[in-house]
Amino acid sequence: GAGVSQSPSNKVTEKGKDVELRCDPISGHTALYWYRQSLGQGLEFLIYFQGNSAPDKSGLPSDRFSAERTGGSVSTLTIQRTQQEDSAVYLCASSPDVGETQYFGPGTRLLVL
Amino acid sequence: DQQVKQNSPSLSVQEGRISILNCDYTNSMFDYFLWYKKYPAEGPTFLISISSIKDKNEDGRFTVFLNKSAKHLSLHIVPSQPGDSAVYFCAASEWYGNTGKLIFGQGTTLQVKP
Repeated sequence: GAGVSQSPSNKVTEKGKDVELRCDPISGHTALYWYRQSLGQGLEFLIYFQGNSAPDKSGLPSDRFSAERTGGSVSTLTIQRTQQEDSAVYLCASSPDVGETQYFGPGTRLLVL
Repeated sequence: DQQVKQNSPSLSVQEGRISILNCDYTNSMFDYFLWYKKYPAEGPTFLISISSIKDKNEDGRFTVFLNKSAKHLSLHIVPSQPGDSAVYFCAASEWYGNTGKLIFGQGTTLQVKP
């Protein structure tokens, strides 16, 4: 079956612009996670959604970052007023339920000029 | 502060030999540990995991060892194959069954030479 997909695969933007990154999880997966990987670093947890529960936003680095998950499926990560330090690969993962194996998408490579 | 550390950024081994990748953690509340493998331009893929109630888990050529007293885990690959060349991330979670939130190390790049 189809895996986790993310779009766009690459995004170049100018400092100060807003960007939206999209994640399509595996069908039927109730848990969805966002991570980011900055150059030379490990993956950093950002936010996760589980069913209809309130999302765990504890990893979002600032209030410029937000995410939503519509209809328990597709998720959008929005970064407002982008800064150069936001440049990273943003990875989305989904799992059948919380605590089960997370399956990652290929990521969106964001470059802020 | 880095709760999960992979102190070796890279490792090179000969095909057929054992690869040992190491990971240290600081949070004694971590109760679940995982290894992920990542090829360039792809997302990480799950490799193997271990619960804190165990000290060893084996899956084919891959074995993960957990030393809770030392807060250390390692991944052994035997025998190593050129296709194993990738970046390996260890990850840990506190109350994984309830949160699923993973804390990752920085990764170790493994190169297996033919």
